[in-house]
Amino acid sequence: AQTVTQSQPEMSVQEAETVTLSCTYDTSESNYYLFWYKQPPSRQMILVIRQEAYKQQNATENRFSVNFQKAAKSFSLKISDSQLGDTAMYFCAFQTGTASKLTFGTGTRLQVTL
Amino acid sequence: GAGVSQSPSNKVTEKGKDVELRCDPISGHTALYWYRQSLGQGLEFLIYFQGNSAPDKSGLPSDRFSAERTGGSVSTLTIQRTQQEDSAVYLCASSLDGGRNQPQHFGDGTRLSIL
Repeated sequence: AQTVTQSQPEMSVQEAETVTLSCTYDTSESNYYLFWYKQPPSRQMILVIRQEAYKQQNATENRFSVNFQKAAKSFSLKISDSQLGDTAMYFCAFQTGTASKLTFGTGTRLQVTL
Repeated sequence: GAGVSQSPSNKVTEKGKDVELRCDPISGHTALYWYRQSLGQGLEFLIYFQGNSAPDKSGLPSDRFSAERTGGSVSTLTIQRTQQEDSAVYLCASSLDGGRNQPQHFGDGTRLSIL
């Protein structure tokens, strides 16, 4: 079974600063996908960024980038130039190459302050 | 709207009652997922529908939980004889065809409270 661990329940960052959220996972699969989702107070889960395990290049989406370390089974999210609208719960998720369901971590609550 | 629609937004019911939660996926999406988010927890997979294939029910926590998807579109999640531990936010997601390169789009969820 796959597991996803987010060891930081809460984090805080000042506006315009950079913050990194950690995620580790455990799997015996070689083909899989990793995701970061954002959940603001509205409850809707919003896809932030995704990474395919067979790609060595780290994914980037504007101010969001990942540090994917396959050997270490680590998938951290870096948010640059943090904005107040980035305040939300952030969930790391894992998807195998053979099953469509997502396995989620327990989330990190990020607070962006002035 | 163009997104995944869930109803009701909130549901409060007494222990022992049955509840039905509805999900209307994005038009044209053949894959539909139900997840449960308990307080302070991540999302827990419940069930997955893909086209006319038999659903993946491996995440349903007990036989009190069931789901159906009629006509390949709208889905209903039913919880019978509700218990207090069923209190959670139930999220529905859809994707184009269930492929691994297709992102899952989530609705706003139904917050279920069992008294």
